[in-house]
Amino acid sequence: TQLLEQSPQFLSIQEGENLTVYCNSSSVFSSLQWYRQEPGEGPVLLVTVVTGGEVKKLKRLTFQFGDARKDSSLHITAAQPGDTGLYLCAGPYYGGSQGNLIFGKGTKLSVKP
Amino acid sequence: EAQVTQNPRYLITVTGKKLTVTCSQNMNHEYMSWYRQDPGLGLRQIYYSMNVEVTDKGDVPEGYKVSRKEKRNFPLILESPSPNQTSLYFCASSLGVGGTQYFGPGTRLTVL
Repeated sequence: TQLLEQSPQFLSIQEGENLTVYCNSSSVFSSLQWYRQEPGEGPVLLVTVVTGGEVKKLKRLTFQFGDARKDSSLHITAAQPGDTGLYLCAGPYYGGSQGNLIFGKGTKLSVKP
Repeated sequence: EAQVTQNPRYLITVTGKKLTVTCSQNMNHEYMSWYRQDPGLGLRQIYYSMNVEVTDKGDVPEGYKVSRKEKRNFPLILESPSPNQTSLYFCASSLGVGGTQYFGPGTRLTVL
């Protein structure tokens, strides 16, 4: 069972469109992170959300943390080809012998010019 | 410059020939982790470590070993590589479990 479920798995849109991707869990997280990964490179952190209901903006990207801290969304306004990549959410999980950071499987976004 | 380095970046080897992929970070991070990434399967964690001499299995540890003798280094060892271990491997580190993960540039491994 995947602790962090991301949807959709794939998304292909035209330049200028808006989109939202989701990261959902049945567990409460103290914080959630969003990363973007470009082909052949390691993921790079975009933002960390830590407070339930929090909204953070990064230029055309808007991140929201659910009130119950079980889910998060990423909304991109007027997508550009440079937004193409794999978007991953991640959160700290303390269910094992030591804490661990777990990742969702990601949403692969393709923005066509 | 703060970074995570991995070596080698590319490796082609044959089944059964032991290999080690090195990972080193210069940020004094306590948490380090290894992932493999395969098309359609996302990032899958192999092993992670909260501190020196403390390691734990991730989702796909079979066929891999790790060690954490020093804080900065976290090598990944494949004692007897097999073709199903052909993959893109990433090492990452952070201050703590919930901290920003800094990823290395990746190691593309092919096992023939």
